[in-house]
Amino acid sequence: SQQGEEDPQALSIQEGENATMNCSYKTSINNLQWYRQNSGRGLVHLILIRSNEREKHSGRLRVTLDTSKKSSSLLITASRAADTASYFCATLAGGTSYGKLTFGQGTILTVHP
Amino acid sequence: GAVVSQHPSRVICKSGTSVKIECRSLDFQATTMFWYRQFPKQSLMLMATSNEGSKATYEQGVEKDKFLINHASLTLSTLTVTSAHPEDSSFYICSAPGQGAPYEQYFGPGTRLTVT
Repeated sequence: SQQGEEDPQALSIQEGENATMNCSYKTSINNLQWYRQNSGRGLVHLILIRSNEREKHSGRLRVTLDTSKKSSSLLITASRAADTASYFCATLAGGTSYGKLTFGQGTILTVHP
Repeated sequence: GAVVSQHPSRVICKSGTSVKIECRSLDFQATTMFWYRQFPKQSLMLMATSNEGSKATYEQGVEKDKFLINHASLTLSTLTVTSAHPEDSSFYICSAPGQGAPYEQYFGPGTRLTVT
């Protein structure tokens, strides 16, 4: 079953603006990962944050994790048209079978040039 | 990074026939692989865990006899959709976990199945 709720479900911005997507989950986790999916394609791993980390950066990406609120956010700064895609958070539960991920509902991001 | 391939990328079949989808880890071994299904504009739903040398484990609500999984080797898992129906039309994606913590997943490019 889907564990995560993501908001917004859809986000439309202009190139150069920042995009923030949020994800909530229900059970305890080992780590939380963010993925990007271009239309009709496979998933691309963006960033992973462990349960004992609060913030992580990778290029134009910034991820935060609040385990007390069971939530995470993904910030994409200075967005580009090429960032247009669906973004999913996925959680790896604590003590779960190896590598089993549960995905959120996803946010569809559209960046207008 | 590690590469996972899927074949075919697209397949169209008639209702009642069976379709086999292959998932291969190209440059690493995977004792475990995962199969997901994604309906249009929806998220990925885990269907089953494919285990090399043993039976697959299925998520609740997934029919074992309809979605046959065979993990034939350390680099190949196959998903066979038997007696396909139009409602089985979906995007099927496999993944394999990387070695060791923190368990990064490597995803295949997906297979678009259309049942007519």
